[in-house]
Amino acid sequence: DVKVTQSSRYLVKRTGEKVFLECVQDMDHENMFWYRQDPGLGLRLIYFSYDVKMKEKGDIPEGYSVSREKKERFSLILESASTNQTSMYLCASSSQGLGAFFGQGTRLTVV
Amino acid sequence: GEDVEQSLFLSVREGDSSVINCTYTDSSSTYLYWYKQEPGAGLQLLTYIFSNMDMKQDQRLTVLLNKKDKHLSLRIADTQTGDSAIYFCAEPSNSGYALNFGKGTSLLVTP
Repeated sequence: DVKVTQSSRYLVKRTGEKVFLECVQDMDHENMFWYRQDPGLGLRLIYFSYDVKMKEKGDIPEGYSVSREKKERFSLILESASTNQTSMYLCASSSQGLGAFFGQGTRLTVV
Repeated sequence: GEDVEQSLFLSVREGDSSVINCTYTDSSSTYLYWYKQEPGAGLQLLTYIFSNMDMKQDQRLTVLLNKKDKHLSLRIADTQTGDSAIYFCAEPSNSGYALNFGKGTSLLVTP
């Protein structure tokens, strides 16, 4: 089975902190994604990557950056966390368009 | 732009059938997907249908696709309390890599 693992289930950070969310997949998938999920807004794509060191902006990239130095790992970085970035963050991976497989999610609270 | 549309709530009695409906946006989508999200968890790929099919059955799940109307439905037979969750419909995004999701249908199964 595909396994996508996010480093934390819950995080609490202070406003202005630099925050790293890590995601690892074990199925050699080319594509990796970061979404955020908010009540009433559904899932929104922040960034995705289709290859090592490649990244593309999604629908809501402002305030975020990403890093993909190795194929299996995709990191989401909040350069200076703000309260409006309190959300559930979901990482996913896919290969050849056959659906995406999700991690368990990281619930981030910025205080 | 257009969004993937789903109704937000559905309540059924245990043992009844559930039907969750979705309208997608791109008639050229190759695959269409249904995901399930249990409380506090990530999204789980439930099933998918290829665009040249109009029906797919997988145990208690039946997916119907009407390409002319861009309408997708998920039928769950003999619905159980464990089926209570949020169900998301998804189609490939314009990038060809990511998925666009509906806002999800919350299914409540009552005894």
